Amino acid sequence: ILNVEQSPQSLHVQEGDSTNFTCSFPSSNFYALHWYRWETAKSPEALFVMTLNGDEKKKGRISATLNTKEGYSYLYIKGSQPEDSATYLCALARSGFNKFYFGSGTKLNVKP
Amino acid sequence: DGGITQSPKYLFRKEGQNVTLSCEQNLNHDAMYWYRQDPGQGLRLIYYSQIVNDFQKGDIAEGYSVSREKKESFPLTVTSAQKNPTAFYLCASSIAAVGLTVGYTFGSGTRLTVV
Repeated sequence: ILNVEQSPQSLHVQEGDSTNFTCSFPSSNFYALHWYRWETAKSPEALFVMTLNGDEKKKGRISATLNTKEGYSYLYIKGSQPEDSATYLCALARSGFNKFYFGSGTKLNVKP
Repeated sequence: DGGITQSPKYLFRKEGQNVTLSCEQNLNHDAMYWYRQDPGQGLRLIYYSQIVNDFQKGDIAEGYSVSREKKESFPLTVTSAQKNPTAFYLCASSIAAVGLTVGYTFGSGTRLTVV
């Protein structure tokens, strides 16, 4: 069983706080790492896909980094807003394996 | 608008009954997937299909069955053989050749409760 670990499981921050969370994964056979944003009662939406060691992606106040050698990715949210409240999922794709390995998510709650 | 529709959002069934969850997409995607989510766990793959009339077992296929008679549709049947059927079920689709690179489009899920 391959484990993709996300930490923390949940996070409560005040509006305006910056925050970050982690996705850890086995570094062998790395192919791609995806981040999804999943609001309650909606569909998960793609945020980023990263494939190269050292990749950094940014979308507005949200950014992500990737270290394939040590097997982790960080997601950062600058100046959190209540609308950022969601579960953030990471999904690992590995060479030779025709599927994703999902973490259990980090649930972010931003209080106004 | 293109997307994936799962219905219903909530489903209740008595123990011992089979139940079929619907998943329809109008994205012209080749590949479709069924995942199950339990509290505190990542999404786990039940079945997937990369082409019409073909499908493969995922990691937790026991007690489930699927069909792929049309490109747009990939229904999942939860049979009475599934020991713990109460869960949240999520359907997804992708362009088969590049799914691992571009990612999936997801439905909004069906929460099944068996009583």
